[in-house]
Amino acid sequence: KAGVTQTPRYLIKTRGQQVTLSCSPISGHRSVSWYQQTPGQGLQFLFEYFSETQRNKGNFPGRFSGRQFSNSRSEMNVSTLELGDSALYLCATKSGGGQETQYFGPGTRLLVL
Amino acid sequence: GENVEQHPSTLSVQEGDSAVIKCTYSDSASNYFPWYKQELGKRPQLIIDIRSNVGEKKDQRIAVTLNKTAKHFSLHITETQPEDSAVYFCAAWVQGGKLIFGQGTELSVKP
Repeated sequence: KAGVTQTPRYLIKTRGQQVTLSCSPISGHRSVSWYQQTPGQGLQFLFEYFSETQRNKGNFPGRFSGRQFSNSRSEMNVSTLELGDSALYLCATKSGGGQETQYFGPGTRLLVL
Repeated sequence: GENVEQHPSTLSVQEGDSAVIKCTYSDSASNYFPWYKQELGKRPQLIIDIRSNVGEKKDQRIAVTLNKTAKHFSLHITETQPEDSAVYFCAAWVQGGKLIFGQGTELSVKP
């Protein structure tokens, strides 16, 4: 099976712009979670989508949003970018909705200037 | 609350020595505890996990122990090798279905 893929891998934006990141899960996986990774804050949970519905949300402002399509691919959007949004954004997928193994994608590294 | 504390933040050992990383969690409903290894510039990779119905699990040089009463779990790496150098993250599933990570431990194995 192909692994979790994320596009783009690198992105440079300026303050105030918006950005959309994409995550394609392992075939058959219906759950997609998104994380923000920064050197000072570690891996912070953004949200989880399961069968096109947002099931869980972390403590991030409303500028961070997401969605999931019928083929389980997920997108994450950040509007009105701030310098502090510079980070590695990782998605992780698993097959079901329970407490099970989660597999990470390679991440999208976002730099906000 | 939803919190996973991980210690130490950095750990340096000599090749061949053992390394131990400890985590505590706050949600008593947590039942699944994975450990991930992240090498520089790469994605986190699952190395071992444990469920609350067992107290210990081993896989070659890696072992994880769980004390549900104390809400502690630990990663033990024996006979460390330079390729074990990486950042290690513990995690716990919390009620509601979120995976919460510890802050990470940067392990350095010196030849």
